[in-house]
Amino acid sequence: QKEVEQNSGPLSVPEGAIASLNCTYSDRGSQSFFWYRQYSGKSPELIMSIYSNGDKEDGRFTAQLNKASQYVSLLIRDSQPSDSATYLCAVNEPGANNLFFGTGTRLTVIP
Amino acid sequence: EPEVTQTPSHQVTQMGQEVILRCVPISNHLYFYWYRQILGQKVEFLVSFYNNEISEKSEIFDDQFSVERPDGSNFTLKIRSTKLEDSAMYFCASIQNTDGYTFGSGTRLTVV
Repeated sequence: QKEVEQNSGPLSVPEGAIASLNCTYSDRGSQSFFWYRQYSGKSPELIMSIYSNGDKEDGRFTAQLNKASQYVSLLIRDSQPSDSATYLCAVNEPGANNLFFGTGTRLTVIP
Repeated sequence: EPEVTQTPSHQVTQMGQEVILRCVPISNHLYFYWYRQILGQKVEFLVSFYNNEISEKSEIFDDQFSVERPDGSNFTLKIRSTKLEDSAMYFCASIQNTDGYTFGSGTRLTVV
């Protein structure tokens, strides 16, 4: 059974702080890693994709991948109240395009 | 920005009835998916569809489920005889290549 594990939270950070979200995955063959944001009652929205070890930055978001440790993280700098949502880590099934999702981490940014 | 469109947004059905959930993927996308999310739980893969046939399916996607692309634009998920445990949000998604999915806004299915 392929597993994607996330701390369910809730994670609370003050406005302007850095939020750090973590994810581990079980299948070493996975090659594609994604972070989605999901507001309550809404569909997942892609924030970042990462495929190679190291860091990838996009605006206030940085994704980090360490395949040896089977670990993916998402940093959100200068957190805003509008960032309050559940953040889903998703990992591809090796050899296929379908994704396995974690249960998500609920982030609350306190004004 | 191109969108994946799903209808209806909310469907209430009686147990044992058939339902069809509809999706219009982004026009130049090649791969289509259905996922579901039971309230409070993780997003789960159901089925992927490429070149007019199923390419992958999960254990959830049993004989009660079927997918179809009847006319080159719509992509449908049919549940033949709904059960209470089929109540969930159903998300359609599409991609052009290996990049991240674009999800539709979802259909909330409630089986009573």
